[in-house]
Amino acid sequence: GAVVSQHPSRVICKSGTSVKIECRSLDFQATTMFWYRQFPKQSLMLMATSNEGSKATYEQGVEKDKFLINHASLTLSTLTVTSAHPEDSSFYICSAHSTGTSGASTDTQYFGPGTRLTVL
Amino acid sequence: GDSVTQMEGPVTLSEEAFLTINCTYTATGYPSLFWYVQYPGEGLQLLLKATKADDKGSNKGFEATYRKETTSFHLEKGSVQVSDSAVYFCALSDSGNTPLVFGKGTRLSVIA
Repeated sequence: GAVVSQHPSRVICKSGTSVKIECRSLDFQATTMFWYRQFPKQSLMLMATSNEGSKATYEQGVEKDKFLINHASLTLSTLTVTSAHPEDSSFYICSAHSTGTSGASTDTQYFGPGTRLTVL
Repeated sequence: GDSVTQMEGPVTLSEEAFLTINCTYTATGYPSLFWYVQYPGEGLQLLLKATKADDKGSNKGFEATYRKETTSFHLEKGSVQVSDSAVYFCALSDSGNTPLVFGKGTRLSVIA
């Protein structure tokens, strides 16, 4: 149990286009999901906290108009990188906090496998 | 604010060697502590966790004990394998629905 998926796993796009990344909790409900960004050989940087049915909370320095987050249901959050540029190339990872259903622990975040974005 | 400090790598060990990766934390409350592992090109997998003082988390031969008096959560394994080569992240969370605070990660390479 407690599986989180991300789609796509890898995407290459042209500069100026928008890219949507989906994060799904497959066997549990998640009231809160988090989006992180990881640069090569570095740790994870929190971008935003996504709560189901409400606006996301962005960390300082993260442009909310550029990184659009939608948490439309208890099992799905999306991150859209708008007008992507080469400096947005990175590994994006989501995590989900369980409400306690289906055997997922309520004090643990479960991570997706990540999405590698390359902007040409 | 809360923070996590873990030993810098890379750490290179021979197979069957003993592993210790140090992790200390600062937090205002009583956080839960975690070790995550990241294999090349993949996301993070929860390795083990501890939610209160003196708890010991264990999984796949790895262990870590929540030491409140030394604010530490060191990761240990008695005999490492080549397949343990990965990056290990120590992390804390005040509660399940707050963001994790990560250490910088320690890269472990195990050679046969």
